[in-house]
Amino acid sequence: DQQVKQNSPSLSVQEGRISILNCDYTNSMFDYFLWYKKYPAEGPTFLISISSIKDKNEDGRFTVFLNKSAKHLSLHIVPSQPGDSAVYFCAAIPYGGSQGNLIFGKGTKLSVKP
Amino acid sequence: DVKVTQSSRYLVKRTGEKVFLECVQDMDHENMFWYRQDPGLGLRLIYFSYDVKMKEKGDIPEGYSVSREKKERFSLILESASTNQTSMYLCASKGGYNEQFFGPGTRLTVL
Repeated sequence: DQQVKQNSPSLSVQEGRISILNCDYTNSMFDYFLWYKKYPAEGPTFLISISSIKDKNEDGRFTVFLNKSAKHLSLHIVPSQPGDSAVYFCAAIPYGGSQGNLIFGKGTKLSVKP
Repeated sequence: DVKVTQSSRYLVKRTGEKVFLECVQDMDHENMFWYRQDPGLGLRLIYFSYDVKMKEKGDIPEGYSVSREKKERFSLILESASTNQTSMYLCASKGGYNEQFFGPGTRLTVL
């Protein structure tokens, strides 16, 4: 059973506009959430994270929002740039996951058009 | 900066061959991971290791084994490669924080 769900396989946005990538999870014991970005033929790179005790974390153009009651998080990219075109993975760490095992969603492919 | 390197970017093997994928990290991290990425399936954990000579099965360990003889090196072994093991293989390492740092990946094709 999939514990981390990214229900949109793809998203297309115009350059300069906001990109919103969504992620839902089923396990209320998830303690920490991360977003990774992946270009083709490269490994994923860490983008931004949020602890379950917060509801927002911001880093430059990237903001992650966490709604624990809805078991939902979202990544906002403002403004979107063509270089943001990549696959974005949402990941979660269960509470007590001492080795830091990540549970990944299936990814959303973002295309930012000039 | 953390650097995670993988021995090959692209590899082509034949069914039944034994395949070794090597991963090296330079940050003295305790934890290392092997994932495979397939279209529509995301990243799935094969094995991980939290210390030298220690290993734990992930979600899809069947057909794979691992070796961690030194802290910086984590090897994934396909004992007898099969066509359904054609995939992108990603190695990662993790230190004291929550982020995992990934290598560039190895695209393995089994014919």
